[in-house]
Amino acid sequence: GESVGLHLPTLSVQEGDNSIINCAYSNSASDYFIWYKQESGKGPQFIIDIRSNMDKRQGQRVTVLLNKTVKHLSLQIAATQPGDSAVYFCAETYTGRRALTFGSGTRLQVQP
Amino acid sequence: DAGVIQSPRHEVTEMGQEVTLRCKPISGHNSLFWYRQTMMRGLELLIYFNNNVPIDDSGMPEDRFSAKMPNASFSTLKIQPSEPRDSAVYFCASSSTARTGADTQYFGPGTRLTVL
Repeated sequence: GESVGLHLPTLSVQEGDNSIINCAYSNSASDYFIWYKQESGKGPQFIIDIRSNMDKRQGQRVTVLLNKTVKHLSLQIAATQPGDSAVYFCAETYTGRRALTFGSGTRLQVQP
Repeated sequence: DAGVIQSPRHEVTEMGQEVTLRCKPISGHNSLFWYRQTMMRGLELLIYFNNNVPIDDSGMPEDRFSAKMPNASFSTLKIQPSEPRDSAVYFCASSSTARTGADTQYFGPGTRLTVL
């Protein structure tokens, strides 16, 4: 599969630990945010989303936190598993604009 | 349910040749997006369509790139003539705008293009 970035920041965690991946966004008008997971050789896969009228949303083993004051987004993965190893992207957009603006990505490496 | 389908999955061509990438969006989705991913620039939006109409093509690199969406179930991205710097993975994504506001985009597996 292709590499999505040799110079990506990398987070290395032990299997079973919790992971926190951070993302800063710059557009204060953004009101919809998505986290994507991209495994080698595959397209980005939707994980979880959040709208700006919320500050927290939970899914299965994942939680997204949104801090609009400092324009910061985080993805928390509970009990990280080897299958969680991938590159994670945050993306943002605003109402009326269909296109997403992607962050540069963070590589998560899970050590067994 | 079938996801976004892209073809070919891999394309190797020589500089100067025409390249056509194809995409079939998820049935019922009315927005379609073309992205390019490289190590240096990450994921970049090239163009997107809403109800088969191009809405924003500001990300298209230059006149060598063109995209069409003749109907709701098919889109092409063409590069003519291709250059080595066009080598990248090209993704197609689709979303439904049936709801108000922004909608989740679902990505295809991508086409890895290599221009020699």
